Amino acid sequence: AQKITQTQPGMFVQEKEAVTLDCTYDTSDPSYGLFWYKQPSSGEMIFLIYQGSYDQQNATEGRYSLNFQKARKSANLVISASQLGDSAMYFCAIPPVGGSNYKLTFGKGTLLTVNP
Amino acid sequence: DVKVTQSSRYLVKRTGEKVFLECVQDMDHENMFWYRQDPGLGLRLIYFSYDVKMKEKGDIPEGYSVSREKKERFSLILESASTNQTSMYLCASSSGLAGLKGEQYFGPGTRLTVT
Repeated sequence: AQKITQTQPGMFVQEKEAVTLDCTYDTSDPSYGLFWYKQPSSGEMIFLIYQGSYDQQNATEGRYSLNFQKARKSANLVISASQLGDSAMYFCAIPPVGGSNYKLTFGKGTLLTVNP
Repeated sequence: DVKVTQSSRYLVKRTGEKVFLECVQDMDHENMFWYRQDPGLGLRLIYFSYDVKMKEKGDIPEGYSVSREKKERFSLILESASTNQTSMYLCASSSGLAGLKGEQYFGPGTRLTVT
């Protein structure tokens, strides 16, 4: 079975600084993808960024980037120049074995607080 | 933009009532999902559907059923609500087309309280 571990229940960062949110995974699938989602206090889950296991370069979307280390099975999210609106829960997720992206297994999440 | 809507943001029901949670997506997505989210437990998949009238159990289907009569609509049914079903319920959809990332798009959630 897939397993996702987010070891940081909570993180604090000063506005305008960068922050790294950790995610490690365990999968027997040779080909897989990793997703990161943001959930503000309003409740809606927002898709942020995706990394495919065979992608040559780390994924980047605006201020979000992935520090993908396949050998260590980690896919950490880096948020640069933090903003107050980045305060939210962040979830890492992985599809099931078999390459299907139908179902995702989510980590327990990290609560990020950006201080002014 | 993908839009996933849920019928209610907040719902209060009594124990034993039959509860319907409705979800509608407007992007012609093949896949739809129902999750519940509880503090400390993260998101857990209840049911998902990969086509009209097709459904599969997720990790915690007990006490729930689903219905997908039309492609855009996926309903979660609590046949007899119990207090341990008090939770945040999130609906999501994704494209089933091969070659796509398969990212899921979520609705705003329904916070259900069963008293």
